Amino acid sequence: GDSVTQMEGPVTLSEEAFLTINCTYTATGYPSLFWYVQYPGEGLQLLLKATKADDKGSNKGFEATYRKETTSFHLEKGSVQVSDSAVYFCALSGEGGKLIFGQGTELSVKP
Amino acid sequence: NAGVTQTPKFRVLKTGQSMTLLCAQDMNHEYMYWYRQDPGMGLRLIHYSVGEGTTAKGEVPDGYNVSRLKKQNFLLGLESAAPSQTSVYFCASRGPRAPNTEAFFGQGTRLTVV
Repeated sequence: GDSVTQMEGPVTLSEEAFLTINCTYTATGYPSLFWYVQYPGEGLQLLLKATKADDKGSNKGFEATYRKETTSFHLEKGSVQVSDSAVYFCALSGEGGKLIFGQGTELSVKP
Repeated sequence: NAGVTQTPKFRVLKTGQSMTLLCAQDMNHEYMYWYRQDPGMGLRLIHYSVGEGTTAKGEVPDGYNVSRLKKQNFLLGLESAAPSQTSVYFCASRGPRAPNTEAFFGQGTRLTVV
């Protein structure tokens, strides 16, 4: 069945460091791909998305490119801030309307 | 605009008790989902619905039942709660009928089964 695998956390970075969080997926067909973010005590909210191969989603300095050949959707940011500390989830929209999430990666940014 | 509202926000149950979690959305969305979030496990899909009157099993459906009698509501039931069902439960909705639309989440329900 459809699945999403993310790099394990927690990831700890210093402010202004470069961020990469790896995400790979397994799916039939051509799913849409998403990154969601969860701040402490809150529900998830959409960070960015890509709906077809080679699409690049971007928002708030974060970027991710839909790579069909490597079945990947890695999240990147050039310079992280303390306010980016959160849990990040990669997700895919699978067959029949399913929305499948990875295990989440906790990011902690230190001043 | 309330978005997605979950009730209750917190609950403690004894083993064997039953309860129902309510999810309500006011965005006229077709798709609704129930997830559980556990440390190190991410969000796991319990059940979902693609429209009023429909339900389907997700990754971890055992021990749960759902109903979607009205388009705006999606109920998650635990008939006989077990300690393994201690978790944070999230409801989400999205629409219209397209695979690339954003899902909106509720604030979560923290359930403890003792």
